[in-house]
Amino acid sequence: GENVEQHPSTLSVQEGDSAVIKCTYSDSASNYFPWYKQELGKRPQLIIDIRSNVGEKKDQRIAVTLNKTAKHFSLHITETQPEDSAVYFCAAVVSGNTPLVFGKGTRLSVIA
Amino acid sequence: EAQVTQNPRYLITVTGKKLTVTCSQNMNHEYMSWYRQDPGLGLRQIYYSMNVEVTDKGDVPEGYKVSRKEKRNFPLILESPSPNQTSLYFCASSRGNEQYFGPGTRLTVT
Repeated sequence: GENVEQHPSTLSVQEGDSAVIKCTYSDSASNYFPWYKQELGKRPQLIIDIRSNVGEKKDQRIAVTLNKTAKHFSLHITETQPEDSAVYFCAAVVSGNTPLVFGKGTRLSVIA
Repeated sequence: EAQVTQNPRYLITVTGKKLTVTCSQNMNHEYMSWYRQDPGLGLRQIYYSMNVEVTDKGDVPEGYKVSRKEKRNFPLILESPSPNQTSLYFCASSRGNEQYFGPGTRLTVT
């Protein structure tokens, strides 16, 4: 089955700097890659996703890139702000077929 | 308002006392799932259901039961809770790939 590895497990950045979180997956059939943000004490919420037919997707300060050949995808947050502090989870799945498989999460701290 | 609800939100219980955590969604989603979240281990899937009367084991099903008698409800049952089931539990539902999570249930088993 699918296995998703996520790095780093913790990340501290200065406010205004960029943050990058990387994930690798094992199943070449996976074609949907979402990212979830979980603020302290809250539920995970989808912030951005990408499908295997595109290499990059942006939404304001966040972007996700996908390298299907290498089987890895990354979350990029630019101009980080204190409210970006949270745990971020990546996931991978064969769309519509099997359950999402999550990475173990990255705790991002943005230092003002 | 489209949402996933869970009850109770917090529960402290003793070893061996059967309990049920309810999950309900009002979005007519076919897919529902239960996760537990523990520090350093991320979100681990317990059970999932692709539709009514269809349930499957996830990564950590031992000690848990589920049922899916109606589309909107997916209760999680702990027949004989043990301290290693102390955790934060999330229910989720989806139709396509985007999962909507419930608010979580923090369970402590003493």
